[in-house]
Amino acid sequence: QVQLQQWGAGLLKPSETLSLTCAVYGGSFSDYYWIWIRQPPGKGLEWIGEVNHSGSTNYKPSLKSRVTISVDTSKRHFSLRLSSVTAADTAVYYCARVGSSGGISDGMDVWGQGTTVTVSS
Amino acid sequence: SYELTQPPSVSVSPGQTARITCSGDALPNQFAYWYQQKPGQAPGLLIYKDTERPSAIPERFSGSSSGTTVTLTISGVQAEDEADYYCHSTDTSGSYPSVVFGGGTKLAVL
Repeated sequence: QVQLQQWGAGLLKPSETLSLTCAVYGGSFSDYYWIWIRQPPGKGLEWIGEVNHSGSTNYKPSLKSRVTISVDTSKRHFSLRLSSVTAADTAVYYCARVGSSGGISDGMDVWGQGTTVTVSS
Repeated sequence: SYELTQPPSVSVSPGQTARITCSGDALPNQFAYWYQQKPGQAPGLLIYKDTERPSAIPERFSGSSSGTTVTLTISGVQAEDEADYYCHSTDTSGSYPSVVFGGGTKLAVL
């Protein structure tokens, strides 16, 4: 059974850089896209971006200037960095897996447990 | 920017049928996906490509599509179905496709 295990700093000061990592246990690493999603307190889901095994990325346009998603295939990890954080970046951050068939997404079928990130001075 | 619109809340009695809609201009051309999220938990995939259901999802969950609206139908609602439900689809209007979520619908089982 595929599992995603994520970790990273949970408390940041404004202007610092958020850094989270997600490890993939089981299953193929190269056949999927790996994504980050966040959920501010009491609000809905927001897609941040995605990466595949070869390092090809795609980011939400409004976050693109601050986001870097990278992959380490040897460790079966992928990571999120979000620079210059503010209180608006306070959220639960999730990593997830996206499969596809015939080039069409099969949806986000495996999720990490979530990491609560709070930005406060 | 592209938006997907969901009703904030839907209420239903146990055993009845709940229908949650998701509307967006590009839905005739892009697949929709549905997720269930219970308090304190990560979301879970319910429906993909408008109507497909992962093998572990009960048959009472189904998806349909008509024009600019997709619908998640829960037949014979159970108390355990009380949760937040999110649709998502793809915005292809920019330089690169991006994922867009609806605002979510809270299902109350009365």
